Amino acid sequence: QITLKESGPTVVKPTQTLTLTCTFSGFSLTTTRVAVGWIRQPPGKALEWLALLYWDDDKLYNPSLRSRLAVTKGTSSNQVVLTMTDMDPVDTATYHCVYRPSAGYIDSWGQGILVTVSS
Amino acid sequence: QSLLTQPPSVSGAPGQRVTISCTGSSSNIGGGYDVNWYQQLPGTVPKLLIYGDDNRPSGVPDRFSGSKSGTSASLAISGLQPEDEADYYCQSYDGSLSGLWAFGGGTKLTVL
Repeated sequence: QITLKESGPTVVKPTQTLTLTCTFSGFSLTTTRVAVGWIRQPPGKALEWLALLYWDDDKLYNPSLRSRLAVTKGTSSNQVVLTMTDMDPVDTATYHCVYRPSAGYIDSWGQGILVTVSS
Repeated sequence: QSLLTQPPSVSGAPGQRVTISCTGSSSNIGGGYDVNWYQQLPGTVPKLLIYGDDNRPSGVPDRFSGSKSGTSASLAISGLQPEDEADYYCQSYDGSLSGLWAFGGGTKLTVL
C-alpha cells in the first residue's frame, strides 16, 4: 500500500521561505521511472502542478514558479523536500505530494497540508 | 492560464450522459502524450479515473470512459448518478520548454 504524508508549517509570513517534507512508503524512489510530484490547490480553485522529482534526480518545475521552487531528496530515502521562496498570500493553498509510477499518471496523493500565508 | 482547457461546468440529470472536453495543443495532447482524468469529490483528494487516454483503473465503473482525438480529449459519464457530482480534471505532459505536467482548469459536474 502506498502512502504519502506532507509535513511542515501551516502558517508562514509573506517573503518567508516555505519548506515542506513528503514522507512516503510503499515504493522506492530508486525504482526506474518513478517520480514524486508536488501539486497545490488554493481554496475553491483548480489544481496547479509545481514540481516533479524523478528517480534519477532529474527535476521538472512549473515554468511560472521555477525561480522560487526547489525539490530535492530528503535525508531519509523515503522523503522528498519542496522549498518555495518569497511566499505571498496568493500562495495560500493545500499542498499535496503525489506518487507517479513509471506509467506516468498520478497513482496516489498525500492528504495535503493547508499552508496559509499571512502576516 | 492552463495549458489544457476545460469547460468550467457541465450538468445533467440522473441517468443521462455527459461529456467533459479537454482541449490542448500539439505540444501536449496533440503530441501523443497520454491524457489522464481525475475525479475530486467534495472535501477529498483527487482520485485517478482514467489513465492513458482510455483506461480505467480497477474499481472505476465502466460508466466512465475516455477518448482522445487530435489535440483534444474527452471524458464521458453515462448513466449519471448523484454521487458523480464532483470536480473533474484532465492532465497530460507538455513537451514545450523543458517539459512539464499540464492540468486542465477543472470542470464542476452538477447532477440536477
